Amino acid sequence: GESVGLHLPTLSVQEGDNSIINCAYSNSASDYFIWYKQESGKGPQFIIDIRSNMDKRQGQRVTVLLNKTVKHLSLQIAATQPGDSAVYFCAERSGGTSYGKLTFGQGTILTVHP
Amino acid sequence: NAGVTQTPKFRVLKTGQSMTLLCAQDMNHEYMYWYRQDPGMGLRLIHYSVGEGTTAKGEVPDGYNVSRLKKQNFLLGLESAAPSQTSVYFCASSYARGGSEQYFGPGTRLTVT
Repeated sequence: GESVGLHLPTLSVQEGDNSIINCAYSNSASDYFIWYKQESGKGPQFIIDIRSNMDKRQGQRVTVLLNKTVKHLSLQIAATQPGDSAVYFCAERSGGTSYGKLTFGQGTILTVHP
Repeated sequence: NAGVTQTPKFRVLKTGQSMTLLCAQDMNHEYMYWYRQDPGMGLRLIHYSVGEGTTAKGEVPDGYNVSRLKKQNFLLGLESAAPSQTSVYFCASSYARGGSEQYFGPGTRLTVT
C-alpha cells in the first residue's frame, strides 16, 4: 500500500472487479483525509473525503475507510471500470493551520484491464 | 465556468532565465495554491494565498516568488531558473478555511536545460 512519503505502488485489476487502494498516514492531528484521482496529463481531481471523527464514508461506487488506531486509510472502488485507470493520491489536511494545508502521499497507479 | 486555468501548458527554459506562470480561477475562491509534482512523488506545496494581496511560503518555496494582485489570479515566478526546477506545476484553489476539496488546473510542464 501507499504511505505518505514512500515509493509508488501499482495495482492491476480486471474490469468489474473491486479495487482497494491503501494509504498510511502519520499525523494524528489531521482533521480530514482525502482521496484524489489524477488521470494522465491532467490535474488531480477530488474524489471523496472523510472527517477524522468518522470511520467510513460512501460515495458513488467509492467507499473510504479510516482506521485511526493503525493510522490507515483505504479507498474501495466497486465494479472498477477502464475509466478508473489513474494515479490515486491520499492526502491529509492539517487541522491546526488556517489554510488547511494538504500533505499528499506519493500515489498508487491503478490499471484496469478490459 | 472554466474552473482553474494555467498558462502556458509547456515551457523550456535555459538555466538562469526567468518566467512567470499564470493561474486564473473563476469560482470566486479565496484560497489559491501552487504545487510542484516530480516523478514518483506526490504534490509539494510551493506557496499559497489566503486572499487578495496576501501570500505565504509552503514547504518548498526557495527559488520561487508569487503575487496575488487580483483575487482570481495567482502568479508564480522563477527569477533564475535551475535544472532542479524541472517539474510539472499545478495551481489549485479552494473556498475559504482551506476546504479539503481543492480544484486543480491542468498543469504546466517546465523543463530547465
